[in-house]
Order: sequence, then C-alpha cells, then structure tokens
Amino acid sequence: QKEVEQNSGPLSVPEGAIASLNCTYSDRGSQSFFWYRQYSGKSPELIMFIYSNGDKEDGRFTAQLNKASQYVSLLIRDSQPSDSATYLCAVIPPGGATNKLIFGTGTLLAVQP
Amino acid sequence: DAGITQSPRHKVTETGTPVTLRCHQTENHRYMYWYRQDPGHGLRLIHYSYGVKDTDKGEVSDGYSVSRSKTEDFLLTLESATSSQTSVYFCAISEEETQYFGPGTRLLVL
Repeated sequence: QKEVEQNSGPLSVPEGAIASLNCTYSDRGSQSFFWYRQYSGKSPELIMFIYSNGDKEDGRFTAQLNKASQYVSLLIRDSQPSDSATYLCAVIPPGGATNKLIFGTGTLLAVQP
Repeated sequence: DAGITQSPRHKVTETGTPVTLRCHQTENHRYMYWYRQDPGHGLRLIHYSYGVKDTDKGEVSDGYSVSRSKTEDFLLTLESATSSQTSVYFCAISEEETQYFGPGTRLLVL
C-alpha cells in the first residue's frame, strides 16, 4: 500500500462547478497535510496546509481533514479553466523532525469552459 | 517566491558521465531537499540537508550524492549518469513545516 494515495484522474468538471479532490494516507500518526498545485512543466506551488480535523478555508479553496478515516480533501469552488492542473497531496509522517514530505502521485484536474 | 534558483535548467548528457545540479537559496533556510519527479511515481525524495555539511538519504538515494558546504548552496551529483536518472529534479527549502520548490532541472541521459 502506498503511503499517500490519490486518484490520478483526470477529473473533469465544468466551469463554475465544485471540484473535489481526495487523498488517503496510511500512517495514522501523520500530523501535517499539504496541497500543492502543479501546472504542466512547472514546479509545485503550495495551496494550503491543514493540521487539525475539520475544514480550513482560503478563498475558493477548502481543505478538509478527517484523521479517524485518514483522508484529506481539497474542494475548489467556482472552478475556473485556470485551475486546470495536477494537484498533489503531501503528508509529513510521524517523527518528521526534518519536515520530510511524502507525496501522492497527484490528481489531474481539467476544468471545461 | 522563496528565493530558490536551480542550475542548469536543462541538461542533456551521456550515460556514464558525472553530472552536478545546483540549488541556490537566498533566505538562509536550514533545510533543503532534492526530489525527482517521474510519471506514475510523483515526487520522491533523493537526499536532504539539515545544515551545512549535514545531509541524509531519502527514499531514492542510490546513484546520487549531495554536498552542502554553504547554507545557500545544495549540490546534487550523479557520479555516473544512467538512463534511469532521466527525470525532472526539484530542489526545495523548508520554512517551518512548509516546503517551497525551485523551478526544476530537466535532465536527459542518453
């Protein structure tokens, strides 16, 4: 079992819809969770991080964390064609004093105009 | 922008030759990381550094070495490049728990 799993997609949503991206992780003791966006040919850029159970909102983005079920999700409201990218989920496993990240393989999001 | 640059940005080399990639940061961050990114595998940690001359291995360190003689520079060396090391290489720095990435280096080993 991979430590961090994501559906590779592509996830296709119409412009203006809500895109829901999901990620599961295997190590129950993981504490810190991150979402990155990566455009084709570019480097990953941080969208959000979340540490506590529940929701965290930043503009059109909401991260949701459920430690009991070991999943973290990213909702994108009012999706725009410019949101089309690969979204990477990353986790700091237990004992992560050096802040090493474990990444999922990413979900490709395609927002259709 | 976390003040990270990578050089070269693109490189083509031949199997068996040594290759060094450079990561430079301007903001005095303690932690630096080297990743490779390949289709189907995502980002995988090669080596990381937690200070000058302090480095450790990541998930896919075989065939790679690193050095950090100054806070601002973290070098990744492929001692004898192989075709399996064709990849995109990203450097990152850590600010508290959050990592920020450099622009990447595309390496093709023929």
